[in-house]
Amino acid sequence: RKEVEQDPGPFNVPEGATVAFNCTYSNSASQSFFWYRQDCRKEPKLLMSVYSSCNEDGRCTANLNRASQYISLLIRDSKLSDSATYLCVVGAWGNFNKFYFGSGTKLNVKP
Amino acid sequence: EAGVAQSPRYKIIEKRQSVAFWCNPISGHATLYWYQQILGQGPKLLIQFQNNGVVDDSQLPKDRFSAERLKGVDSTLKIQPAKLEDSAVYLCASSLANRGLAGWQYFGPGTRLTVT
Repeated sequence: RKEVEQDPGPFNVPEGATVAFNCTYSNSASQSFFWYRQDCRKEPKLLMSVYSSCNEDGRCTANLNRASQYISLLIRDSKLSDSATYLCVVGAWGNFNKFYFGSGTKLNVKP
Repeated sequence: EAGVAQSPRYKIIEKRQSVAFWCNPISGHATLYWYQQILGQGPKLLIQFQNNGVVDDSQLPKDRFSAERLKGVDSTLKIQPAKLEDSAVYLCASSLANRGLAGWQYFGPGTRLTVT
């Protein structure tokens, strides 16, 4: 079983829709959770952790369900510029942080 | 604040040749990571440095891959000899520390390697 699992998508949504990305993780000792955004042929950029809001206009939120080992990212009022691949990252703290990346979920926002 | 720098941005080599990638992390970041991202997959950690010491190289194919961070600042990743399956984007990331929220990582633009 993979450390972090995501639906690869693509999710095709109309502009203005609300879209949710889900992610499950296998290590119950995981303590840090992040979402990254990766545009086509670009590097991943940190979007948010579960502890903070994700963008200046407040359109996205993240939720963590430790009991189910499940995190989600919700984007409201989706915009064309939200089209990208969204990477779920889960970290376990031991002697050092160890991060596991999901394979990403592709989002296409259509006009 | 300057970001993570990597070079070259693109490299095409033939199988069995050698290649080296360079990374300069964000100033003051003690932790440096090298990832391999194959098309359609998430990044896979190859090696993690804390200053000039290796803290995790469990997924580094040590028969052909090597990495160093001699002075605890910039780093090089080498593949010798390359195989076709090494074609990927090699991403370097850095973070302020390797524990807790200070472990948030910032990525460089990557080096796209094509092995023919």
